[in-house]
Amino acid sequence: GENVEQHPSTLSVQEGDSAVIKCTYSDSASNYFPWYKQELGKGPQLIIDIRSNVGEKKDQRIAVTLNKTAKHFSLHITETQPEDSAVYFCAATRNSGYSTLTFGKGTMLLVSP
Amino acid sequence: DGGITQSPKYLFRKEGQNVTLSCEQNLNHDAMYWYRQDPGQGLRLIYYSQIVNDFQKGDIAEGYSVSREKKESFPLTVTSAQKNPTAFYLCASSTSWGQFADTQYFGPGTRLTVL
Repeated sequence: GENVEQHPSTLSVQEGDSAVIKCTYSDSASNYFPWYKQELGKGPQLIIDIRSNVGEKKDQRIAVTLNKTAKHFSLHITETQPEDSAVYFCAATRNSGYSTLTFGKGTMLLVSP
Repeated sequence: DGGITQSPKYLFRKEGQNVTLSCEQNLNHDAMYWYRQDPGQGLRLIYYSQIVNDFQKGDIAEGYSVSREKKESFPLTVTSAQKNPTAFYLCASSTSWGQFADTQYFGPGTRLTVL
């Protein structure tokens, strides 16, 4: 089945710096890659997603890149702010014929003022 | 407001008891999902349903059961057969299923603690 590896598990940056989180996936048939932000005690919120026919997508300070050949995708956050502090999860679809997702284990991002 | 609601927010259970977690959505989504979250483990799929009166096991279905009698509701029962039920449970829904995945939207979660 699909396996999604996410790195790093924790990331500390200073306010204003950039943060990059990387994920690799195993199923070459995966075609949808969302990123979620989860604050403590809350449900995950979608922040950006990308489909396999696109190499990069950007939304203000957040961008995602996808390398299908290498089977990895990355989340880039620029000009980080303290409110960006949270746990971030990547996910990839499975080759099961249904839209189920396999999630990475998460990255705790801490942005210090 | 449209969205996904889960209740209760906190749930305490004695060993040997079955408990049912509620999940309701008013987004008119066809597909619904249940995930379990443990510290450092990410989200693991318990059950999912693409349509009313149909559901499939996910990766960790043992000790759990579900029903899908209405489009907007997908309750999860944690049975006494689940050996380690203490976790954060998340419900999600999406507009479509099948080959082309669509965004999954999550509820606020239910934290279950076994006493």
